[in-house]
Amino acid sequence: GIQVEQSPPDLILQEGANSTLRCNFSDSVNNLQWFHQNPWGQLINLFYIPSGTKQNGRLSATTVATERYSLLYISSSQTTDSGVYFCAVEGAGNNRKLIWGLGTSLAVNP
Amino acid sequence: DAGVIQSPRHEVTEMGQEVTLRCKPISGHDYLFWYRQTMMRGLELLIYFNNNVPIDDSGMPEDRFSAKMPNASFSTLKIQPSEPRDSAVYFCASRTGFFEAFFGQGTRLTVV
Repeated sequence: GIQVEQSPPDLILQEGANSTLRCNFSDSVNNLQWFHQNPWGQLINLFYIPSGTKQNGRLSATTVATERYSLLYISSSQTTDSGVYFCAVEGAGNNRKLIWGLGTSLAVNP
Repeated sequence: DAGVIQSPRHEVTEMGQEVTLRCKPISGHDYLFWYRQTMMRGLELLIYFNNNVPIDDSGMPEDRFSAKMPNASFSTLKIQPSEPRDSAVYFCASRTGFFEAFFGQGTRLTVV
């Protein structure tokens, strides 16, 4: 099955810094999503991005499907950005399972 | 829409008791997923439904776990009998077609 690898596993930033999180996947995908799990455990949708580039405020994401990776950019980080960022993909085909990476744990210090 | 609604938010029960978790998906979504999250194993897909029909239950850990979706607006995940190793956060998610999945706030289950 599809393998999803996220890097880095852990990241510590000072407030105001920028960062890039990476998600590599091993096969063609129908669906790729980025989620933020906040310190209270809630899973929040960030982007649905099987290909292309999207932006939402200080966050943006780019997926290059042909090269099997996606990047999540966080600019001007804030303490509220802390938490775990997950990439999840759905392989080509009829199965609707999302395959999850292990996440990037981000801590933004004031 | 209020999003995916799960209840209860927290559940503490004694080993051996039956536990029922509930989920109301987003109206119009035809896929519903049950996940379990633990520190050791991360997010695991337990089962998913399409149009109320179970499609893949290969993630259900054992016979003590069962899930139903009697109609498009309600699903349950039942554990009977519960064990301490079932302690986890259980998430329900829904989506339509190929599009993005939305998660409920989860049920934190503690079995003592």
